[in-house]
Amino acid sequence: QQQVKQSPQSLIVQKGGISIINCAYENTAFDYFPWYQQFPGKGPALLIAIRPDVSEKKEGRFTISFNKSAKQFSLHIMDSQPGDSATYFCAASARATGTASKLTFGTGTRLQVTL
Amino acid sequence: DAMVIQNPRYQVTQFGKPVTLSCSQTLNHNVMYWYQQKSSQAPKLLFHYYDKDFNNEADTPDNFQSRRPNTSFCFLDIRSPGLGDAAMYLCATSRDKVGGYFGPGTRLTVT
Repeated sequence: QQQVKQSPQSLIVQKGGISIINCAYENTAFDYFPWYQQFPGKGPALLIAIRPDVSEKKEGRFTISFNKSAKQFSLHIMDSQPGDSATYFCAASARATGTASKLTFGTGTRLQVTL
Repeated sequence: DAMVIQNPRYQVTQFGKPVTLSCSQTLNHNVMYWYQQKSSQAPKLLFHYYDKDFNNEADTPDNFQSRRPNTSFCFLDIRSPGLGDAAMYLCATSRDKVGGYFGPGTRLTVT
């Protein structure tokens, strides 16, 4: 129930295209859904995050779509650029009383944007 | 502008030789996490500090220990590194439910 399932495992998109990565979860206690971008040899960087009280959040070319009833959320990268080539992780966390919340990560998607 | 700093960025140690990795943060976050990340895998949480309270994950080997002497610093000690401990070690911070913010990582090689 703690798992976050992420697909696809890898994705190749042409420059200017839309990249879409999907995640699904089971734990209804999850209330925070961040996406991380990781370049080789670097730490994950928080890209964008959403809470379940909204269905969509947009920051620049990056949009999270959230479907609470289906327990699914997705990352859309508009006008994909070669510089977006990286591994993307979705994650989820639940409120914890008296202690820190912990992230449950998806398995990652390796995105390659070609010229 | 650095927020989460990890030192060293690259560490080579011998099999069985203790090693310490360090993390510092300028965000004044009350939570600090240590993750292990192996190639092509998601980060795996080892343990975290919520303020001064230490929380170990159930499947974290006893070989891994941590210290948090103050709010800004946290250390990861590997008492007897094995070849299987070669990985990227990531420190992250958060303030309660927000975040986490990851450092650049320390790449550990065990020879």
